[in-house]
Amino acid sequence: AQSVTQLGSHVSVSEGALVLLRCNYSSSVPPYLFWYVQYPNQGLQLLLKYTTGATLVKGINGFEAEFKKSETSFHLTKPSAHMSDAAEYFCAVTLTSGTYKYIFGTGTRLKVLA
Amino acid sequence: DVKVTQSSRYLVKRTGEKVFLECVQDMDHENMFWYRQDPGLGLRLIYFSYDVKMKEKGDIPEGYSVSREKKERFSLILESASTNQTSMYLCASSLIGGMNTGELFFGEGSRLTVL
Repeated sequence: AQSVTQLGSHVSVSEGALVLLRCNYSSSVPPYLFWYVQYPNQGLQLLLKYTTGATLVKGINGFEAEFKKSETSFHLTKPSAHMSDAAEYFCAVTLTSGTYKYIFGTGTRLKVLA
Repeated sequence: DVKVTQSSRYLVKRTGEKVFLECVQDMDHENMFWYRQDPGLGLRLIYFSYDVKMKEKGDIPEGYSVSREKKERFSLILESASTNQTSMYLCASSLIGGMNTGELFFGEGSRLTVL
């Protein structure tokens, strides 16, 4: 069965510091992987996705993530945090396109300190 | 851009009331979903629909029903609202098949409080 684990429900970083949000998954077959962001009182929007091909994926707002099959990880990073990055971030996995079976992690709330 | 619109951002209802949450998407997507979001639990699937008049139960369908009479519209119905249904409800849509990558497009959410 698929599952997604996000380590750390709350992460705090200083403005300008590296952002690292961790996501590990379990899946019997190569998955499609996603990171979504949710700003306060809004829906989720896609940050980036991995389907096939290059394992380093770049997304919006300077975020990127690397698919590491050997570690079953898809950690989200940003070299320099900005105050506007404060939000909740969700990792999600699905086995293939065109399916309803998306598994979401429980989310990581990022706080950026001035 | 895909737009998913949820008709009510904030609702306050009383226990036992019938509640309708409406969702409309404008990109001709086959799949539509209703999720419930609660702190520490992430997103949990209530129902999804892969075509008009077709629906499948998700992980937590109890106490909910859905309706999809038109491709662009997917409604979530709470027949008799209870306090434990106080939550954020998120509607989403996606394409199916072909080259699509399964990306979900979300509405802004409907925050329901049941008193």
